[in-house]
Amino acid sequence: AQRVTQPEKLLSVFKGAPVELKCNYSYSGSPELFWYVQYSRQRLQLLLRHISRESIKGFTADLNKGETSFHLKKPFAQEEDSAMYYCALRDLEYGNKLVFGAGTILRVKS
Amino acid sequence: GAGVSQTPSNKVTEKGKYVELRCDPISGHTALYWYRQSLGQGPEFLIYFQGTGAADDSGLPNDRFFAVRPEGSVSTLKIQRTERGDSAVYLCASSLIASGGVNEQFFGPGTRLTVL
Repeated sequence: AQRVTQPEKLLSVFKGAPVELKCNYSYSGSPELFWYVQYSRQRLQLLLRHISRESIKGFTADLNKGETSFHLKKPFAQEEDSAMYYCALRDLEYGNKLVFGAGTILRVKS
Repeated sequence: GAGVSQTPSNKVTEKGKYVELRCDPISGHTALYWYRQSLGQGPEFLIYFQGTGAADDSGLPNDRFFAVRPEGSVSTLKIQRTERGDSAVYLCASSLIASGGVNEQFFGPGTRLTVL
């Protein structure tokens, strides 16, 4: 069965420090992976998707099929990055539903 | 333009009561999704519509849950005989199409349901 695992409930870093939010998945086919972000008192929104291979707000994520991982990285954290981050997998066998991980709270301290 | 909207934003009900949660998707979006998010968890898929029909309802937990989208736009999630375990945030999302191509899901603010 498809599953997304985010091992860290909370990640706390200082401003300017590198950030890596971990995401591992299990999926039998070719996965499509996403990172969603939810800032305080805002709705869930797409941050980036692996097929775009783009950097958004300084964040990047590379799909590693060998390790079944899709970790989110940023070289220098900023206070405004503090938010809840969800890794999600699109289940291509069943339309467009998303399977989410439990989420990681990122706190960037000044 | 306006994003996905959901009403009510909060709903408190008593065990055993019936509730309806409404979702207004982005205009022109043919696909609509319902997710449920319990405390400390990520959103969990319930059902999705392509147009008026439910294309996948495999996430509905039991027959107390039902959703409709009669005109292919607004959707209503209906929960009968609510139980305390139904307490969660119910999220709605819409996308332009359901498969391939541009399919980003845009989420609403959610409805927080509390069953006493």
